[in-house]
Amino acid sequence: GQNIDQPTEMTATEGAIVQINCTYQTSGFNGLFWYQQHAGEAPTFLSYNVLDGLEEKGRFSSFLSRSKGYSYLLLKELQMKDSASYLCAVRDSNYQLIWGAGTKLIIKP
Amino acid sequence: IAGITQAPTSQILAAGRRMTLRCTQDMRHNAMYWYRQDLGLGLRLIHYSNTAGTTGKGEVPDGYSVSRANTDDFPLTLASAVPSQTSVYFCASSDGSSHTDTQYFGPGTRLTVL
Repeated sequence: GQNIDQPTEMTATEGAIVQINCTYQTSGFNGLFWYQQHAGEAPTFLSYNVLDGLEEKGRFSSFLSRSKGYSYLLLKELQMKDSASYLCAVRDSNYQLIWGAGTKLIIKP
Repeated sequence: IAGITQAPTSQILAAGRRMTLRCTQDMRHNAMYWYRQDLGLGLRLIHYSNTAGTTGKGEVPDGYSVSRANTDDFPLTLASAVPSQTSVYFCASSDGSSHTDTQYFGPGTRLTVL
């Protein structure tokens, strides 16, 4: 079966750095996405990785290792508005997105 | 430009009733999707459409039907609602042709079936 694993919840301090991990086992791989979802709102696109390595976009970076079936989202200089759920999704061989359950990130002052 | 709109925002429905959730996008995206999101689970694909006039089944299609008569609209119908269909429903779209083919989501419909 296909599986995406993420921690259920993480807590971090304002101004700090946090790394949210995602491991996957899917039938095929055609890219990995990270989305942010604030409570009661729609998911919004953060990043896309299809090749191994680090993609940096402002305070957010995403890393991919296809051989290990592993990705992480790195958030720097955390702000209170970063409190949200972070969803990892992999596009499989059928070109459909398989979604993890999401990681709820709580930022404390 | 609105992006993707969904209606209604929320609905309480008696079991056995028929219900259509509406989704409209103004981005001229080829592909559209319906997901449900339940607590503790990832988004699950119900149905999708790669282009107007075509539809396909996702992971959890039973009890749901869709149509794609034109590019902009992709309604989801529950023929006879059951309590297990209580969920938040998200419509999404993507251009279907770019390298990333990123999906963009509507605001969601919160459905409660009693």
